[in-house]
Amino acid sequence: DQQVKQNSPSLSVQEGRISILNCDYTNSMFDYFLWYKKYPAEGPTFLISISSIKDKNEDGRFTVFLNKSAKHLSLHIVPSQPGDSAVYFCAATSPYTGANSKLTFGKGITLSVRP
Amino acid sequence: KAGVTQTPRYLIKTRGQQVTLSCSPISGHRSVSWYQQTPGQGLQFLFEYFSETQRNKGNFPGRFSGRQFSNSRSEMNVSTLELGDSALYLCASSYGGLAGIYTQYFGPGTRLTVL
Repeated sequence: DQQVKQNSPSLSVQEGRISILNCDYTNSMFDYFLWYKKYPAEGPTFLISISSIKDKNEDGRFTVFLNKSAKHLSLHIVPSQPGDSAVYFCAATSPYTGANSKLTFGKGITLSVRP
Repeated sequence: KAGVTQTPRYLIKTRGQQVTLSCSPISGHRSVSWYQQTPGQGLQFLFEYFSETQRNKGNFPGRFSGRQFSNSRSEMNVSTLELGDSALYLCASSYGGLAGIYTQYFGPGTRLTVL
């Protein structure tokens, strides 16, 4: 049973426009969420995170929104750049239950930013 | 600060053999987690070591084992290799206190191919 779902396998956007990557989760014990970016032949790189006590977190061009009641989060990238083309993984964990090390990942979304 | 390093980067083995993968965490990090990435299952948590003790474990058979040394370096061992063990094995390190939020930083991975 997949507890973190990224239902769209791919997304293509024009350079300069907004990219919106979605993620849903089913486990109500998750209370900390992260986004990682991965290029081929490299390990995932941490992008941004959000705690369940917040509904929004911003870092430069990246903003993550969390809707706890809907068990949904999204990553907004504005403006999108060709260098953002990569696979984006949503991950969730339960740090306050002692399982902070165990990340549960979605299957990833391949983002392509067209010049 | 140097990042997480993993050796070897690529490995080819045959069914029935065993393999040992190595991970050196970021200096000062005491937690090392291991993940398996396959096209079908995505990124799945194997186990986590903290201060030389296994602290969390995923749902993998006992053929998958690991250990951590006093300098926080970790090794992962897979015995009696099966074709389905072909995957990218990723190591991640963090400060990893008892509770709380510690971002995990990933290494580049070891690509294991089982023939």
